Amino acid sequence: ILNVEQSPQSLHVQEGDSTNFTCSFPSSNFYALHWYRWETAKSPEALFVMTLNGDEKKKGRISATLNTKEGYSYLYIKGSQPEDSATYLCASKAGGYQKVTFGTGTKLQVIP
Amino acid sequence: EAQVTQNPRYLITVTGKKLTVTCSQNMNHEYMSWYRQDPGLGLRQIYYSMNVEVTDKGDVPEGYKVSRKEKRNFPLILESPSPNQTSLYFCASSSIAGASPGQFFGPGTRLTVL
Repeated sequence: ILNVEQSPQSLHVQEGDSTNFTCSFPSSNFYALHWYRWETAKSPEALFVMTLNGDEKKKGRISATLNTKEGYSYLYIKGSQPEDSATYLCASKAGGYQKVTFGTGTKLQVIP
Repeated sequence: EAQVTQNPRYLITVTGKKLTVTCSQNMNHEYMSWYRQDPGLGLRQIYYSMNVEVTDKGDVPEGYKVSRKEKRNFPLILESPSPNQTSLYFCASSSIAGASPGQFFGPGTRLTVL
């Protein structure tokens, strides 16, 4: 079983603040890293899929980076808004296998 | 509209009574998967399927069965449910595991086993 860890578990930020969270995963045999956004009472929604070392992806105010050599990915939110409040999940897939292993998520609350 | 549907959305049952949770996708995705979500444990993969008649175990397959006889459907079967299978279950699909744009998730099925 892959060990995918996310930190922090939760955080509260003021509206307008920028924030970031970390996902760490085994670097050996890496294939892909996914980020999902999960709002309360809804289903997870895909944000990014990254496969190459050094990848950077951006969607609006949210961006992500990937370091496959050291086994971590950062998710950044610039100028947080209340609607960004959600749990952010990362998931790792190792090459040669089709299993997907999720981290336990970072729960973000943006205070107006 | 591209979607993954699950039925039922809510189910309360008793120990030992066989049940099936259906999952269907309309995006012609090859990859389908079942997850359970438990507090503090996050999403854990139960089974996945790469295509018709191709299935494999995830991290927590014990007590579950799946089948993939058609590309669009991937039912989850609990032959003899037990209380430790009380959980929130999600079905998901994607074109190829690991490829953009990531997995599409169904709305979830909340199962309670008494």
